[in-house]
Amino acid sequence: EVQLVESGGGLVKPGGSLRLSCAASGFTFSSYSMNWVRQAPGKGLEWVSSISSSSSYIYYADSVKGRFTISRDNAKNSLYLQMNSLRAEDTAVYYCARDPRALLQGAFDIWGQGTMVTVSS
Amino acid sequence: DIQMTQSPSSLSASVGDRVTITCRASQGIRNDLGWYQQKPGKAPKRLIYAASSLQSGVPSRFSGSGSGTEFTLTISSLQPEDFATYYCLQHNSYPFTFGPGTKVDIK
Repeated sequence: EVQLVESGGGLVKPGGSLRLSCAASGFTFSSYSMNWVRQAPGKGLEWVSSISSSSSYIYYADSVKGRFTISRDNAKNSLYLQMNSLRAEDTAVYYCARDPRALLQGAFDIWGQGTMVTVSS
Repeated sequence: DIQMTQSPSSLSASVGDRVTITCRASQGIRNDLGWYQQKPGKAPKRLIYAASSLQSGVPSRFSGSGSGTEFTLTISSLQPEDFATYYCLQHNSYPFTFGPGTKVDIK
């Protein structure tokens, strides 16, 4: 079964750091670009960051640029999001999503269940 | 950045109704658009990719059309399990952007 499972969320103080992980299974992880998408409580979806299959290309939303770092370990079938200098407005459910655009199958076809990040003092 | 708008922002409909949701891009995005369904507390689920291709396993009552700047998602006969929020996503250029969503609830 194709699956993405996020972990690492929790409660953190403003200015703090957190590292999210996304474990992939059931497909050839190294063949796909991957993404992080977030959703603040009661709000819509916001794309956060993308990383290509070999980590050669990385993109960030302006709202997180310079504070968040996306990375991946293809040997471990894992995607990561290092979040530093966290702000209250970063409070959201964070989803990882697979990106099959290289296979001409659109974007964001498989999503994880999400992990909640709360930034509060 | 490409801005995505959706209309309506919400709608009330009955089981069996035909429902159409529109998504507009601030500039041309070819057919680099997907439609997603999200239920409360759940992850989004892709319904349509490449503007008009039906995701495997998604019922055929869902269809998508459009190209360039205007796109539509149509549910031909609304079913009880279709009450949810629907989002479009453009992946033509970074930053990728979602529409603000359309909430479909029961009349």
